[in-house]
Amino acid sequence: KAGVTQTPRYLIKTRGQQVTLSCSPISGHRSVSWYQQTPGQGLQFLFEYFSETQRNKGNFPGRFSGRQFSNSRSEMNVSTLELGDSALYLCASSLTTSGAYEQYFGPGTRLTVT
Amino acid sequence: DAKTTQPPSMDCAEGRAANLPCNHSTISGNEYVYWYRQIHSQGPQYIIHGLKNNETNEMASLIITEDRKSSTLILPHATLRDTAVYYCIVSQIQGAQKLVFGQGTRLTINP
Repeated sequence: KAGVTQTPRYLIKTRGQQVTLSCSPISGHRSVSWYQQTPGQGLQFLFEYFSETQRNKGNFPGRFSGRQFSNSRSEMNVSTLELGDSALYLCASSLTTSGAYEQYFGPGTRLTVT
Repeated sequence: DAKTTQPPSMDCAEGRAANLPCNHSTISGNEYVYWYRQIHSQGPQYIIHGLKNNETNEMASLIITEDRKSSTLILPHATLRDTAVYYCIVSQIQGAQKLVFGQGTRLTINP
């Protein structure tokens, strides 16, 4: 089975622009979560989607948004980029929706805001 | 979700067992203990999880104390490829899926 894929892998944007990142989960996985990783804050949860519905959201401003499509693929969008948004954005998918679950992470998209 | 405490760094000789401790004294009855690791510049990788009993898989063993307030991840024969940051996470059984990562333990395997 193919793993979680994220596109693009690297991205450079200018402050004030917006960006869309894409995540394709493992086939059959219906839950997709997004995380931001920075040297200062570590790995932080952004949001989780299941069956096209956002079920949980982390403590991030409204500039960060996401969505999930009927095929479970997910996108996240960051509007009005700030320098502090430079980070590794990780997507993870999981099969189960309750009980114990393993999340499988993609390689991430490294976003640099200049 | 309960908070976890891990030592910031550890060293282990190649071929020896690496024992990584984690304290989760505020864990509640509906929370699992998960371990993930992150090798430099890669996405985190799931290792193992447990609720009450000790668990073992092809990667590692997880020992949870009887009161569930702490656990130890054991890599039985560490290799250089096991050098990574290891995260101990406590997360609820039910509901939306969210992992709260702490700072983890940076494990260095020395030749």
